[in-house]
Amino acid sequence: DQQVKQNSPSLSVQEGRISILNCDYTNSMFDYFLWYKKYPAEGPTFLISISSIKDKNEDGRFTVFLNKSAKHLSLHIVPSQPGDSAVYFCAASRNSNYQLIWGAGTKLIIKP
Amino acid sequence: SQTIHQWPATLVQPVGSPLSLECTVEGTSNPNLYWYRQAAGRGLQLLFYSVGIGQISSEVPQNLSASRPQDRQFILSSKKLLLSDSGFYLCAWSPRGRGYTFGSGTRLTVV
Repeated sequence: DQQVKQNSPSLSVQEGRISILNCDYTNSMFDYFLWYKKYPAEGPTFLISISSIKDKNEDGRFTVFLNKSAKHLSLHIVPSQPGDSAVYFCAASRNSNYQLIWGAGTKLIIKP
Repeated sequence: SQTIHQWPATLVQPVGSPLSLECTVEGTSNPNLYWYRQAAGRGLQLLFYSVGIGQISSEVPQNLSASRPQDRQFILSSKKLLLSDSGFYLCAWSPRGRGYTFGSGTRLTVV
């Protein structure tokens, strides 16, 4: 049972345009969501997070939007740069449980 | 500041041989520790997590085991490797709260 789903295995975006990565979850008890970025042969690195009390969090070119009623979150990257090409993982957790539940990842390819 | 060390970076082992991957964390105490595996083209699979010395929880029954002999040391082991054990292994730690920090990973190829 996949509680966190990233339905797009890959996404290709032109450099300079907006990249939108999507993530859906099924467990309404999740109250904290994170995005990680992973380059090949490296460990994932933390990118941005959002608490369920918010619907938007912004950090530079990265913005995460949370729609609790739809159980959906998205990561926007504007403008997209070649260095953004990586696999992006969405993860979720509950307040009482420090474990993260991971999506399968979306491979983002930024075309020059 | 906290750092996490994981080694070796790459490993090629024959089928049936033993395995030992080590992970250590510096600059923190009593962290939660995790072992993940990323098989080729797939997401992150949680293998083991530990909330304290000697406390190991297994998420997926398999050919691997984990141990935490010291507060900031987490070891992933196998007595006899299988071909299906090939993958990218990641150690991670988290404080008693949110977010993980990952090590740089170990690429294991079983031949």
